[in-house]
Amino acid sequence: DAGVTQSPTHLIKTRGQQVTLRCSPKSGHDTVSWYQQALGQGPQFIFQYYEEEERQRGNFPDRFSGHQFPNYSSELNVNALLLGDSALYLCASSRRTSGITLTGELFFGEGSRLTVL
Amino acid sequence: KNQVEQSPQSLIILEGKNCTLQCNYTVSPFSNLRWYKQDTGRGPVSLTIMTFSENTKSNGRYTATLDADTKQSSLHITASQLSDSASYICVCDREGGGADGLTFGKGTHLIIQP
Repeated sequence: DAGVTQSPTHLIKTRGQQVTLRCSPKSGHDTVSWYQQALGQGPQFIFQYYEEEERQRGNFPDRFSGHQFPNYSSELNVNALLLGDSALYLCASSRRTSGITLTGELFFGEGSRLTVL
Repeated sequence: KNQVEQSPQSLIILEGKNCTLQCNYTVSPFSNLRWYKQDTGRGPVSLTIMTFSENTKSNGRYTATLDADTKQSSLHITASQLSDSASYICVCDREGGGADGLTFGKGTHLIIQP
């Protein structure tokens, strides 16, 4: 049973460029959340997707956008990259039970390490 | 403001020794508390998840405790191994908050020396 898979694992971009990160959730999971983790910090919530729609969003600018596909996989897009966007981007999947309440396990992928020069 | 504070920030112990990591939270209304292990440059891996009514939960050599009255949790590691070297992150769920309701601590960086 494959867990949460993310790609690419590492990438380097320059300021102003755009990046797309991809995530496949754990088998049986239908909800995907994205987090940004700066070095030495805890993960910060970006947004969550369920039924192909953005359901919740953290305090991130519109440069951060996403998408969820019918097979529950998801993409995170970041436009007009800034130096401060350098971080580990984590995808987490879960199985929605009722409403937006997050119950049970939240499984994380290995992350995509983005470096902006 | 919902916050999760972890201590110590970093800890070095010898292989085979026990250690206890602390987590204090101000998340309200509180529903669940989670502990994750995160190896450097990797994604967090779940160790335990406890509801507000649970006092203790074990996962092998890891034992988490929760005191919802004092809003404190601890993670005890028994007979540490070199592979326990990692950051340990405490996460609190705000009831009804969904993914946006998770508050992450900054983690305790644990180093096990041979």
